Amino acid sequence: GENVEQHPSTLSVQEGDSAVIKCTYSDSASNYFPWYKQELGKRPQLIIDIRSNVGEKKDQRIAVTLNKTAKHFSLHITETQPEDSAVYFCAASISRNTGNQFYFGTGTSLTVIP
Amino acid sequence: GAVVSQHPSRVICKSGTSVKIECRSLDFQATTMFWYRQFPKQSLMLMATSNEGSKATYEQGVEKDKFLINHASLTLSTLTVTSAHPEDSSFYICSARDWDKNGGAGGETQYFGPGTRLLVL
Repeated sequence: GENVEQHPSTLSVQEGDSAVIKCTYSDSASNYFPWYKQELGKRPQLIIDIRSNVGEKKDQRIAVTLNKTAKHFSLHITETQPEDSAVYFCAASISRNTGNQFYFGTGTSLTVIP
Repeated sequence: GAVVSQHPSRVICKSGTSVKIECRSLDFQATTMFWYRQFPKQSLMLMATSNEGSKATYEQGVEKDKFLINHASLTLSTLTVTSAHPEDSSFYICSARDWDKNGGAGGETQYFGPGTRLLVL
């Protein structure tokens, strides 16, 4: 099955600096890569996603890049703010008969220091 | 936007009893729902894929007789933890895909419920 690895597990940055979280996946059939933000005790919220036919996608301060050859994708947050503090999960999705199943990375706990 | 609810939000039960958790898509139809388990400070582990009108597909290592899944309608899936034990204590989260996206093929985005915190004494 798919194996998704995520690094780093914890990340602390000063407010205004950039944060980068990296994920790798094992199954070349994966074709959809969402990123979720989960605040303490709350549900994961989709923040950005990218499909395998796209190399980069940006939404305001958040961007995601995908390297299909190397099987890795990254989340970039610029001009970080304290409210960006949360746990971020990447996921890789493989299309099956029953639909896309997500395999999540282990999560990155991001702390933005004011 | 798509909203998914879960009930109850938290439950405490005695060892040996069964607990049912409901997952509902409130403003869309979901032929497919997913059940995850999350331990403190850990990732979401996919337990099973729930398909409306058919049997659920369980991930390797998940006991289907212990975690009973029923997807009786396009808006409701239930997870029943049978004969619960303390090691079953965890945070259980469901998610749902919007059936209407992509011309009925189902959207890729999964919308998550708020989760159910289960404590087995």
